Amino acid sequence: DSGVTQTPKHLITATGQRVTLRCSPRSGDLSVYWYQQSLDQGLQFLIQYYNGEERAKGNILERFSAQQFPDLHSELNLSSLELGDSALYFCASSGDPNTEAFFGQGTRLTVV
Amino acid sequence: QQQVKQSPQSLIVQKGGISIINCAYENTAFDYFPWYQQFPGKGPALLIAIRPDVSEKKEGRFTISFNKSAKQFSLHIMDSQPGDSATYFCAASTGNAGNMLTFGGGTRLMVKP
Repeated sequence: DSGVTQTPKHLITATGQRVTLRCSPRSGDLSVYWYQQSLDQGLQFLIQYYNGEERAKGNILERFSAQQFPDLHSELNLSSLELGDSALYFCASSGDPNTEAFFGQGTRLTVV
Repeated sequence: QQQVKQSPQSLIVQKGGISIINCAYENTAFDYFPWYQQFPGKGPALLIAIRPDVSEKKEGRFTISFNKSAKQFSLHIMDSQPGDSATYFCAASTGNAGNMLTFGGGTRLMVKP
């Protein structure tokens, strides 16, 4: 167990809908990262937050947004969902910048 | 644009054999190279990592070899076991260990008993 908790584990929704994925980082970790894992694109970095502020942005669509709250948990919001958004979404966390990132078990999103 | 290329995509090894997975990168600013192991239904888990100031790092049966001039690094799994059957990802990042990771495409390893 990495100590990173993601909910829900599975999510099935229809095209055009909006969903929210939640991540609780390891105790004390200030950085949260979101990754998308799909069959055709592999594991891709989406966005990083550090202590509530956006730190880095990767291949994140404009329909997607994220935030990190004062208690350090993070949410990834996906809107106007398309079939191609079906993927595993992973959250990872790390402490200070010199420590490794630990991944949660992911949320499997299926858009039908 | 794939900045980290990983090969092979799949690998079958007999129990007790050596599994070798290779990665090549393009961005010379990368300075942290971890390997992750992922079992079905689980998130990637850090296996071993190396920085470019050393050419090799060994932890148990797992060894990373790093060739800075060739911009290549590889994972060697000695005495491979059926329990090692998983998908392995190489990755790279710049700056610090906690920075965003650029992943290779993954290698699905099967170790036959």
